[in-house]
Amino acid sequence: SQQGEEDPQALSIQEGENATMNCSYKTSINNLQWYRQNSGRGLVHLILIRSNEREKHSGRLRVTLDTSKKSSSLLITASRAADTASYFCATDRAGANNLFFGTGTRLTVIP
Amino acid sequence: EAGVAQSPRYKIIEKRQSVAFWCNPISGHATLYWYQQILGQGPKLLIQFQNNGVVDDSQLPKDRFSAERLKGVDSTLKIQPAKLEDSAVYLCASSTFLTGENQPQHFGDGTRLSIL
Repeated sequence: SQQGEEDPQALSIQEGENATMNCSYKTSINNLQWYRQNSGRGLVHLILIRSNEREKHSGRLRVTLDTSKKSSSLLITASRAADTASYFCATDRAGANNLFFGTGTRLTVIP
Repeated sequence: EAGVAQSPRYKIIEKRQSVAFWCNPISGHATLYWYQQILGQGPKLLIQFQNNGVVDDSQLPKDRFSAERLKGVDSTLKIQPAKLEDSAVYLCASSTFLTGENQPQHFGDGTRLSIL
């Protein structure tokens, strides 16, 4: 299966701390995307990183991609209570035009 | 811009009944997706449309699920007859199209379906 797997499944931190989530996948990709999902809502796109990129930043988010290890990480710095949500990585297959979502990491930021 | 609209937000039916969900994507988005998200899991693609044509329906249980996107804009997803295992959130998403690269997808808030 191409589906990515996030690690850890659940993460609980104090407000102000950094949160790191990891994603592993199995086959070659064109790009990898990270999404956030608040409880009872749809997914929101956070960041896209292409297979020829190693790191990308967006505000308090930093994403890395290691295609040799088939893994990616999402770092949220200076976390806030509003960051409490589930985070999913999504990968494509080279040549395919859709995404496979992982099982998600549930992040809880305690005020 | 207006987001992806879905209705209804909640639906409760008994098994063997039928149900339909509606999605209006972001204006100008050529690609539309329907996903099934079971509690505690990531979304699973059911069907993908490019304008009004089906691109991928390999994971759609075609004996009971059907979907259409007439005129390449709105879409409906139908389940008939429903089974207990169909209890899930059904998410619609849309994106622009760029050959060779998956684009960010914009999601609606989904329809939460409960089968009794």
